[in-house]
Amino acid sequence: NAGVTQTPKFRILKIGQSMTLQCAQDMNHNYMYWYRQDPGMGLKLIYYSVGAGITDKGEVPNGYNVSRSTTEDFPLRLELAAPSQTSVYFCASSYSRGRSQETQYFGPGTRLLVL
Amino acid sequence: QKEVEQNSGPLSVPEGAIASLNCTYSDRVSQSFFWYRQYSGKSPELIMSIYSNGDKEDGRFTAQLNKASQYVSLLIRDSQPSDSATYLCASSNQAGTALIFGKGTTLSVSS
Repeated sequence: NAGVTQTPKFRILKIGQSMTLQCAQDMNHNYMYWYRQDPGMGLKLIYYSVGAGITDKGEVPNGYNVSRSTTEDFPLRLELAAPSQTSVYFCASSYSRGRSQETQYFGPGTRLLVL
Repeated sequence: QKEVEQNSGPLSVPEGAIASLNCTYSDRVSQSFFWYRQYSGKSPELIMSIYSNGDKEDGRFTAQLNKASQYVSLLIRDSQPSDSATYLCASSNQAGTALIFGKGTTLSVSS
């Protein structure tokens, strides 16, 4: 199993440009997540999905959009990039049932620089 | 806004010593708790999960949970330089659909 994969590893964007960060998992996990991590800070949840076709906002959703058309893929779209979106983005997945969160497995991250 | 709080450190211990990392959480209904280790420039990886009050041991690592005090800790015995990293504490949200992460504690183990 490849686990959780993310592309690209690093990207430089100009202010106002758009891009999609790709995330895929091959563990048949139902839950998927997008986080951002700024220097010296913990992980902030952007969006999450509890299954194909179902997404919900996390703590910091402004400026981002997501979709989940398949169990495996959970792309994150940045529209009109701003310097405040400079960060490291992590995708994660887990298999969870009921009200008990199970272990989240993280991808390698995408480092984004907006200039 | 539910929170998870950790001392940012750095926590410095000599090789072979016990490192103690602490975490408090604000959501009383949280049911799942995790410790992740993150090396600089890398993604978080799971160290321990704990769901019930008491201790859970795995090798050199012991997680302790006290739901009454809303407190989670991680003990690392016989600390090694390779344990030097940032340790992230996380608790589940009320709905059980996501995790809330602390800012992390940086541990430095000197040889």
